[in-house]
Formats: sequence, C-alpha cells, structure tokens
Amino acid sequence: DQQVKQNSPSLSVQEGRISILNCDYTNSMFDYFLWYKKYPAEGPTFLISISSIKDKNEDGRFTVFLNKSAKHLSLHIVPSQPGDSAVYFCAARGTGRRALTFGSGTRLQVQP
Amino acid sequence: KAGVTQTPRYLIKTRGQQVTLSCSPISGHRSVSWYQQTPGQGLQFLFEYFSETQRNKGNFPGRFSGRQFSNSRSEMNVSTLELGDSALYLCASSTGTDLPGELFFGEGSRLTVL
Repeated sequence: DQQVKQNSPSLSVQEGRISILNCDYTNSMFDYFLWYKKYPAEGPTFLISISSIKDKNEDGRFTVFLNKSAKHLSLHIVPSQPGDSAVYFCAARGTGRRALTFGSGTRLQVQP
Repeated sequence: KAGVTQTPRYLIKTRGQQVTLSCSPISGHRSVSWYQQTPGQGLQFLFEYFSETQRNKGNFPGRFSGRQFSNSRSEMNVSTLELGDSALYLCASSTGTDLPGELFFGEGSRLTVL
C-alpha cells in the first residue's frame, strides 16, 4: 500500500514554462514533506521541503504547496530550464519517525 | 567536503549468493540510512544506523542486514539473493541528531541478480 503516490510517471514541458509535479499521500500522521531530484547515475539530491504547519515554501524558482485537507502537495518550477530534466521524488516523514516514505517518482523533461 | 561514497558501484551476483555493500558517510555525519530503489517503486526504507546501533528498520526480510562501525561507515548485507533483490541500493547520511529532513545520498550500488 503506497502511502505516497506520484501518479504521473512523466511530464514534458517547454523551456520557460511552468512545471507542476504532483504528489498525494494517505497517512495523516505525515508532518514534513520533501522533494528530491535525481539525475541518471547520481544519488537523489534534496531540493525543497515544507512542514505541515505551512501551506507554501519558496526557494528561488522552486515552490512547494501543501494542501493538508486534500492530502496533496505540488512542486512548481518557474521558469523551467533544460537542466531541470530529472526524476523528482516526493517524500514524507511521519510524526516522530525518522524514516522517509518516498513516492515512485516523476520524470520531468524540459524541452529547449 | 567529500560526499557520501558507496562501493561497489555495480555488481552482478547469482541467486543464492550473498552480497555486502559499503557506505562512507559525510565526515561528521553519524546517521546512515539505506534505501532500495526498484523501477516504479520509488525508494523503500531498509534501515537506519546511528552510533553503531540500528535505530529504525523497514519492512524487509531478515536476509537484509546491516551494521555500522565506530567511524560511522556502514555496510549492508543481503544473504541468499533472489532475483527480486536486483535494485539500486542507496545510502544516505545525516547528522542524526534531529529528526531527518535533508538526507545526503550517495550514487548507489546497482545490484543485478541472475
């Protein structure tokens, strides 16, 4: 039973446009959410995070939105650049727990 | 500052064999976590070690085990390999002194079981 779901395996957008990656979760005990980016043959790297007490966190071109009532979060990348092409993983942490639960990832392709 | 180092990067084993993977965390990091990545399944948590003690364990069979040494380096072992164990095994380090937010991942060890 996947507690963190990324229902879109892939996404293609044009350079300069907005990329929106979505993530849904089922466990109401999750209190912290993170996004990681992974290039081929490299380990995932941390991108941005958000606590459950917030509904938005922004870092440069990257913004994460959290809708707790819908158990949904999204990552917005504006403007998208070809270097953003990678697999993006959504992850969540349960209250008081140490392990992260990851989604299955979304492959983003930014077309020049 | 050197990143997380995993060895070997690639290996091929046959069913029934065992394998040991190694992870050297970022200097000063005392927590090492292991994750398994398979196509379509994301990253599945295996276990976490802190100060040579297993602090958390995921839902994997007992064939999967690990340990951590006094210098924080960690190893994981998989015994009696099965075809389904073919995966990318990722190690991540953190300071371990607070609840995990950002983890620093290595490049992974890709295991193929024939």
